[in-house]
This record gives sequence, C-alpha cells and structure tokens, in this order.
Amino acid sequence: DIQMTQSPSSLSSSVGDRVTISCRASQPISRYLNWYQQKPGKAPELLIYAASSLQSGVPSRFSGSGSGTDFTLTISSLQREDFATYYCQQSYTKPYTFGQGTKLEIK
Amino acid sequence: QVQLVESGGGVVQPGRSLRLSCAASGFTFSSYAMYWVRQAPGKGLEWVALISYDGSEKYHADSVKGRFTISRDSSQNTVYLQMSSLSAEDTAVYYCARSLGKHAADYFGMDVWGQGTTVTVSS
Repeated sequence: DIQMTQSPSSLSSSVGDRVTISCRASQPISRYLNWYQQKPGKAPELLIYAASSLQSGVPSRFSGSGSGTDFTLTISSLQREDFATYYCQQSYTKPYTFGQGTKLEIK
Repeated sequence: QVQLVESGGGVVQPGRSLRLSCAASGFTFSSYAMYWVRQAPGKGLEWVALISYDGSEKYHADSVKGRFTISRDSSQNTVYLQMSSLSAEDTAVYYCARSLGKHAADYFGMDVWGQGTTVTVSS
C-alpha cells in the first residue's frame, strides 16, 4: 500500500497568516492527490482534487500544488473558520490511503 | 438535495456481525462509485472499501479484507457494508461517501459525505 505522510502533524497560526501543509507519498502518484478539511464532530469536506483543482464552492484562498511524491496545501490568508484538521489522500492505487492528518489550531 | 444518510450502527459484541446502510438521494446513484471510510475515536481517516458505479468491482482495505463486504442495490439507491468477526479495533464512526467523478472516474476524491454512523464493539 502507498503510505502518505503529512507534515507537520499540528501547527498553530493566526488569522491572516499564510499556511502550508505538506504531504509526501511513499511512491510516485502522479497528480492523484486530494485534500480534505474536517471540523470536530463533522464529516470531512473535499477541498482540492487532482492535486490542484479547487472543488466547487471552496474559497479561493485554498490552493494545492505538487506531483509525483510531494504535494502542498496552501491557505493564503487564514480565516477563523479554517481552523480544522486537514487530510491528504492518494487516489492513484487502491486502497486510496489517507495521510495521518494535520491539526491547524489558533495561536 | 444531494444527500447520504447512514444507518445501522450500534453497540455489538466482539465476534458478532453488523450491516451498515447508506441511503442516497438527489443524484443518479448508479453513475457513481461509492466508498466507506471510518474514523476511530480521536484518530484519523481510514479508507475501508470502494464499490464501482455498476457494482462490478469491489475493493477492501487489508485491515477488513475477508471480514467486511461492500455491496450496492441501485433499485434502493443504497450502499451497504456487511461487517463480521468484529473486534474492538473496528470501533469507529463509519462514513459513506460518493466519488466526485462519474462512472469509472473514481480517482477524484469524495465530494459528498454522510453524517456517519457509530459502531462500538464491546462486551
């Protein structure tokens, strides 16, 4: 199975900050990489698919980049509602494994 | 509106079986692959199973292979997860989700999720 490793596991930031979360695959996955946001007690929501395509309805401050093994989710200017846990997921080879998550907290 | 509603969770003894259901509405169910994803208490997301849009292909995570089976009934717009030989490690919230892409394009992530149903395995 392909292992997905996110970094950092947690970070503290302030409203208005630019934030970057990394995701690394254990083998090349082309651009088959998706990002989700999950808030406590809620189901995950799809933010980015195919590494850089913004899901409909997601604010443009979210962006994704990367290919091969290294990927990045960027939030250009943090808003209060962005404090949540973020997961990457590869969809190159089944099983479509998730990263362990990155918890974004308010500083 | 597009919606997924899970049911069937509960408290079950180790070694017993349980069947989860996920009722879909608001979209053409037979056009989309469907997933089950679980989340143990305080833990991250774990991909459990996938069934293709037409039911011809099924995939299960190694952690549940041989014990869990995903299926679908397009006449009922419902996807199921039959779980057997349950253990404490299967305690989790179970979500069903829809593939973003239609038909064979199951590689664009999951764009619609249910609210989850909780399975607790305990004696």
